[in-house]
Amino acid sequence: DGGITQSPKYLFRKEGQNVTLSCEQNLNHDAMYWYRQDPGQGLRLIYYSQIVNDFQKGDIAEGYSVSREKKESFPLTVTSAQKNPTAFYLCASSIRGREYNEQFFGPGTRLTVL
Amino acid sequence: SQQGEEDPQALSIQEGENATMNCSYKTSINNLQWYRQNSGRGLVHLILIRSNEREKHSGRLRVTLDTSKKSSSLLITASRAADTASYFCATDAPRSNFGNEKLTFGTGTRLTIIP
Repeated sequence: DGGITQSPKYLFRKEGQNVTLSCEQNLNHDAMYWYRQDPGQGLRLIYYSQIVNDFQKGDIAEGYSVSREKKESFPLTVTSAQKNPTAFYLCASSIRGREYNEQFFGPGTRLTVL
Repeated sequence: SQQGEEDPQALSIQEGENATMNCSYKTSINNLQWYRQNSGRGLVHLILIRSNEREKHSGRLRVTLDTSKKSSSLLITASRAADTASYFCATDAPRSNFGNEKLTFGTGTRLTIIP
């Protein structure tokens, strides 16, 4: 089956710890995205990558870091510098260079800081 | 920053009724998409309307776009309990090249269908 997987589904972090959220896709998409969603809110873009070894900051990149060493993978690290990391994190991917940017989403990771 | 704002924030209707939700945006767009999110899940693409289109249909979905008012509406006809979800609009800014391809999502409408 083609799709996007995120792991883990639930993640608990102690204050001061860095954690890494996994996102993998087998859709052969060039572009990948990380969003944060707070309760009852829309999606805010953290980072996005349009090609391997390249990525750009989104609207709320502070306290987060990413890498794009492989086309299929776009891990997100939530660092201790992120002051309020408890949220639902969504990864998405899309085909680059089309007239429209239809994004395909993973199931999400819910991060809770204890 | 959030460009899209959905209205209403929450909507509850009886099964079988039609549901209408609206989206407003602030800057010029290339196209507008609607996505659905079931509770605690990822988003799923529903329908896309281009900036030069005024109306589009897909099954029980009808989308309109008024670029002069910078607004769009999503109509779900003959609603079902399974339509209970949050609905988001997403806009794609005009671009002269293939760079900077990203969507801006609205705040969402939470739709509840009462059986």
